[in-house]
Amino acid sequence: KNQVEQSPQSLIILEGKNCTLQCNYTVSPFSNLRWYKQDTGRGPVSLTIMTFSENTKSNGRYTATLDADTKQSSLHITASQLSDSASYICVVSAGYGGSQGNLIFGKGTKLSVKP
Amino acid sequence: EAGVAQSPRYKIIEKRQSVAFWCNPISGHATLYWYQQILGQGPKLLIQFQNNGVVDDSQLPKDRFSAERLKGVDSTLKIQPAKLEDSAVYLCASSTLGFSGRTREQYFGPGTRLTVT
Repeated sequence: KNQVEQSPQSLIILEGKNCTLQCNYTVSPFSNLRWYKQDTGRGPVSLTIMTFSENTKSNGRYTATLDADTKQSSLHITASQLSDSASYICVVSAGYGGSQGNLIFGKGTKLSVKP
Repeated sequence: EAGVAQSPRYKIIEKRQSVAFWCNPISGHATLYWYQQILGQGPKLLIQFQNNGVVDDSQLPKDRFSAERLKGVDSTLKIQPAKLEDSAVYLCASSTLGFSGRTREQYFGPGTRLTVT
């Protein structure tokens, strides 16, 4: 069964600190992995998309890593800001040739950044 | 570039009533998705359109949910009759048509929060 598991479920950190969110998946065939940020009351916004051959991808203070062998991904946030408070959702696309395929969503990690 | 528009943003109805949500995708995006996101969970795909044809509706509860995308642009999602467990945020997303090997990005609207009492 295709599944995406995220940890921790929630996380509280102080402003300026770094944090790492984890994503483990069992999806086959693997097409790509995405990290989304979802602010409260808003739709998800894409942060990164990684295909099988990509190990790391950055978007400003966000850096995602992918280990296709262990089927793990992480999202590292550097020098956190209050505006980073949101849910971060890991999404894995199942399919061939980079096509859209079936998107399997994790439940998300709720991050709270405190001043 | 304007984003995906959805309305209404909030809706409260009683069980057994009907409700409709509207979505206007990004101009030129051929593919449109409706998702259901229950509190504390990730979005679940309900239906995917490509132009005005249905690509995937395997998780749509067809006894009460229906969706259409006339003319391949705007779309409406209807629930009739609503149940308590339908309380959720309904997200609409759109993307361009991808060519083989290209990864298509999905752009989400702000969602409609439905509360069924």
